[in-house]
Amino acid sequence: SAVISQKPSRDICQRGTSLTIQCQVDSQVTMMFWYRQQPGQSLTLIATANQGSEATYESGFVIDKFPISRPNLTFSTLTVSNMSPEDSSIYLCSVEVLAGVEQFFGPGTRLTVL
Amino acid sequence: DAKTTQPTSMDCAEGRAANLPCNHSTISGNEYVYWYRQIHSQGPQYIIHGLKNNETNEMASLIITEDRKSSTLILPHATLRDTAVYYCIVRVGNAGNMLTFGGGTRLMVKP
Repeated sequence: SAVISQKPSRDICQRGTSLTIQCQVDSQVTMMFWYRQQPGQSLTLIATANQGSEATYESGFVIDKFPISRPNLTFSTLTVSNMSPEDSSIYLCSVEVLAGVEQFFGPGTRLTVL
Repeated sequence: DAKTTQPTSMDCAEGRAANLPCNHSTISGNEYVYWYRQIHSQGPQYIIHGLKNNETNEMASLIITEDRKSSTLILPHATLRDTAVYYCIVRVGNAGNMLTFGGGTRLMVKP
């Protein structure tokens, strides 16, 4: 299994600003993913965070809006840039451990943009 | 990845078995069936997965039909803490691929 922490757990931000969300795992993992869950909706994958290379983004998500870093096998950040109220969502980090097939999810970051 | 169809919501009496169905009629031979649940305000939690054989763990049982076009997640003795949204997901291969979440089934366990 893997224990995942996210910081911050929640934030209220002004439009036009940016927020960086951190995801820390207690063990080395092969895959790290970032998801978004808009109010009342299911989860949507934003991107796969690749260690040592650029993230792989899903359709509808771009690097300029959601830059991602993954400097090592236990840590990743997602930045939500130039925020608007439509970015108000829960942002979740998930990981796949080295030898497993399950994906484990962090507790999420609840973002409200005013 | 194959699309799944689940009922939007279901109720279950506390202590009874909860049977959550999922249709995945376009599933291909290398796709696994996964079940996750999301309790309010928490991240999704892995429950169980399988390819074609029935599976059981400490949380639930997964019954997959012989043609693999549908499956049922069984919570044998539902408790109030099992109230959550349950997601049935099919995913290519056994590791390293993204999860595509559909709408899920909102299970309400009632006293």
